[in-house]
Amino acid sequence: EVQLVQSGAEVKKPGESLKISCKGSGYSFTSYWIGWVRQMPGKGLEWMGIIYPGDSDTRYSPSFQGQVTISADKSISTAYLQWSSLKASDTAMYYCALLPRTPPDWFDPWGQGTLVTVSS
Amino acid sequence: EIVLTQSPGTLSLSPGERATLSCRASQSVSSSYLAWYQQKPGQAPRLLIYGASSRATGIPDRFSGSGSGTDFTLTISRLEPEDFAVYYCQHSTSFGQGTKVEIK
Repeated sequence: EVQLVQSGAEVKKPGESLKISCKGSGYSFTSYWIGWVRQMPGKGLEWMGIIYPGDSDTRYSPSFQGQVTISADKSISTAYLQWSSLKASDTAMYYCALLPRTPPDWFDPWGQGTLVTVSS
Repeated sequence: EIVLTQSPGTLSLSPGERATLSCRASQSVSSSYLAWYQQKPGQAPRLLIYGASSRATGIPDRFSGSGSGTDFTLTISRLEPEDFAVYYCQHSTSFGQGTKVEIK
């Protein structure tokens, strides 16, 4: 069974750094793109970016370019989303999800989500 | 960037009724990459339809997708209690804002 399991909820202060993770299993981790999607409280879905773990090719939405960093460690089948300096506006649920084919493509399946709360 | 506009924002229906959800693109898009998701409170989104009209694995046949160019539709033929949720369309890097299907 293809599965993406994300790291647990985080509570951080503005200005702090953070790296959340998404571990893939049940498939060849280096052969499929993984993406990240933001959902702010009570709002819709926003496409952030994707990474191909096989060669670390990464693509960002213009809205998130320079705001976050997407990476992957293929030795442990894990993708990451990180911030160097969090803002209150980064408070959201973050989902990782698999692209079954090459981009542009839909997401399936999705991880369970990681809730990030940034508050002083 | 393509903008996807979903309508209506909220659909109030009773179990057993038919639901018709619309997703309109700001310019013509390839139906090969048009997808629909269902999201229930506290859960991650779930893929329902891909390629505009193909049902994902395990999705009941009361869900169907259609459309091409700029206009796409998700139809739920007879609403079951578990179908009341928010539905999103997606094309490439764009998501629609969602349609909430609520119990009337």
